[in-house]
Amino acid sequence: GESVGLHLPTLSVQEGDNSIINCAYSNSASDYFIWYKQESGKGPQFIIDIRSNMDKRQGQRVTVLLNKTVKHLSLQIAATQPGDSAVYFCAESSGFQKLVFGTGTRLLVSP
Amino acid sequence: GAGVSQSPSNKVTEKGKDVELRCDPISGHTALYWYRQSLGQGLEFLIYFQGNSAPDKSGLPSDRFSAERTGGSVSTLTIQRTQQEDSAVYLCASSLAVHETQYFGPGTRLLVL
Repeated sequence: GESVGLHLPTLSVQEGDNSIINCAYSNSASDYFIWYKQESGKGPQFIIDIRSNMDKRQGQRVTVLLNKTVKHLSLQIAATQPGDSAVYFCAESSGFQKLVFGTGTRLLVSP
Repeated sequence: GAGVSQSPSNKVTEKGKDVELRCDPISGHTALYWYRQSLGQGLEFLIYFQGNSAPDKSGLPSDRFSAERTGGSVSTLTIQRTQQEDSAVYLCASSLAVHETQYFGPGTRLLVL
């Protein structure tokens, strides 16, 4: 079946560092990928998404990279801030319908 | 503008009781999704609606779970004869259309004693 996984359950960085959160997916038919940020007690918050016809997309302080050859997705956060501390989920879908989520990576940012 | 809202925010119930969880999507969003998040886990898809119809119910874990959506807006997820393993956060999301970005509500935290 479909599965999306994360390599690192916890990532600890210093404020100001760049953070990279990685994600592997297994469904080669997936054509849409998305990153969410979830703070404690809140619902997931949209960060950035990317379609399979692209390999890179940039937002404000965030960049998503997609490598379809090795089925790998990454989220880069520039100049990480304490407010970036949260659990980050990648998710994928085929046909833009239901999302299949990974288990999440916790990002801890120290001041 | 207003985001997705869910009620109640927390629900504690006894095993065997029925519960109803409500989702109010963003105004104008035609697609609505229900997910479940168990402690420390990722989100598990349950069901989605396009308008009032549910093309994909594949994620509902058992026949104790059902959902409906009327008027193309509010949706209710019902769990009958709740079990302790139903304890989780139930999250609702909506999108402008099926092929658009999903935006999530704050969730309902369900605890079955």
